[in-house]
Amino acid sequence: QQPVQSPQAVILREGEDAVINCSSSKALYSVHWYRQKHGEAPVFLMILLKGGEQKGHEKISASFNEKKQQSSLYLTASQLSYSGTYFCGTEGVGAGSYQLTFGKGTKLSVIP
Amino acid sequence: DTAVSQTPKYLVTQMGNDKSIKCEQNLGHDTMYWYKQDSKKFLKIMFSYNNKELIINETVPNRFSPKSPDKAHLNLHINSLELGDSAVYFCASSPFLDREVTDYGYTFGSGTRLTVV
Repeated sequence: QQPVQSPQAVILREGEDAVINCSSSKALYSVHWYRQKHGEAPVFLMILLKGGEQKGHEKISASFNEKKQQSSLYLTASQLSYSGTYFCGTEGVGAGSYQLTFGKGTKLSVIP
Repeated sequence: DTAVSQTPKYLVTQMGNDKSIKCEQNLGHDTMYWYKQDSKKFLKIMFSYNNKELIINETVPNRFSPKSPDKAHLNLHINSLELGDSAVYFCASSPFLDREVTDYGYTFGSGTRLTVV
């Protein structure tokens, strides 16, 4: 089942912060985050495997609340290069799927 | 150097034709995928395949068939193309089965833009 992302779109000025949320109606084994720029392939940002886990690199980080079946992606002090569509992908608990189901994406636009 | 390569990058064809898209990965990953991205940017899983198992999304028409000659290749063959098949198709790979690898993010190919006229 497809995770739900919010917001659908956000416009930021350089230096502002944003939070993108991803929630699922089923128990999750992992949450992935990807960024896709226009006309390009999605690029892997990070994976969260354990409830309570937080990860990050540079000014982009994420958390995973296993109990609430939610993950959030935090972008701080945004840069123009952060513009793109952000997707969360979820892997459900249980054997055999080996597949990620992606949310519909959040379009982030960073303006000068 | 390319990790996941797809060919062709663009494909324009008429309704009713049969076409194939090729995908190769040189990352040594054990699992490969095909995703369809429609005009609204929705990424939808079509297939996942490792050396033991093919998993087909139940909504994929049987006109679509994956073919894997070896672990590094997963091609997509489409019969009797329809207008609704127009989309960008992404191949991806992941070390999904190797649970010693905790950073098993997908690596995507650059995509094939299929236009059916």
